[in-house]
Amino acid sequence: NAGVTQTPKFQVLKTGQSMTLQCAQDMNHNSMYWYRQDPGMGLRLIYYSASEGTTDKGEVPNGYNVSRLNKREFSLRLESAAPSQTSVYFCASTGGPATNEKLFFGSGTQLSVL
Amino acid sequence: GENVEQHPSTLSVQEGDSAVIKCTYSDSASNYFPWYKQELGKRPQLIIDIRSNVGEKKDQRIAVTLNKTAKHFSLHITETQPEDSAVYFCAASKGAQKLVFGQGTRLTINP
Repeated sequence: NAGVTQTPKFQVLKTGQSMTLQCAQDMNHNSMYWYRQDPGMGLRLIYYSASEGTTDKGEVPNGYNVSRLNKREFSLRLESAAPSQTSVYFCASTGGPATNEKLFFGSGTQLSVL
Repeated sequence: GENVEQHPSTLSVQEGDSAVIKCTYSDSASNYFPWYKQELGKRPQLIIDIRSNVGEKKDQRIAVTLNKTAKHFSLHITETQPEDSAVYFCAASKGAQKLVFGQGTRLTINP
C-alpha cells in the first residue's frame, strides 16, 4: 500500500516547454487534488476531481490542465511553462470510508522553470 | 470565496512551553477546519481537525478551539518538544472539497 505516488520528484524546464506531472493513489479514494506550494503562501488548490470523470477549477487554475484518467490516476499538465510556475506541486486524495475529508498527500514535485 | 488568514508566520518557543497559532476565515458557511503539519522536506500530514458543531477538540498535547461567531480557530500545543518543530497550516472548507489553506506558521522549539 503505497498511498499517493507522484512522479517526477524534481524537474527543470525552460520557459515554453510542456510537461505532465503524474499522480496515482491505491487507497480507492474518490477525490483527487493538485496543490502548489509557494513560500509564504501556503497550499493553493489548482484543480480537483471529486470523482472519476469530473474535474473542477480551484483557486489558481490558469496555465494548467488536468486529466482524471481513471479512479486511481490524476495528471497535471503544463502546456507552456512560465517562471511563475516554479513551485512545489503536491497531489492529494480523499474519500476513504474511515478517513472522510483527510487529505493524503504525495511526496511532492519540485519544479523549476528557467 | 473563502479566505483564511494565519498568524503568526513564525513562532519560537522554549521546549516545554505552549504554542498557539490562530486562524480567521471569511465564509460563515465553512464547516470543516483541519490543521496540517509539514516537517522540512516532507509532505503535509493531518494532525487534528474540528467541525463547526464542536467548540473544542483535544488529542494528547494538541487541541483546537473554534469560535464560529468570531470566525476564528486556534491550534494549541502544550509541553512542546523538539519534534514539534515544523510548519503548521490551518484550513477551512464547506464540506470535503476545495480546502483553502492559511499561509503557514513556522514553529521552532528551542532546547
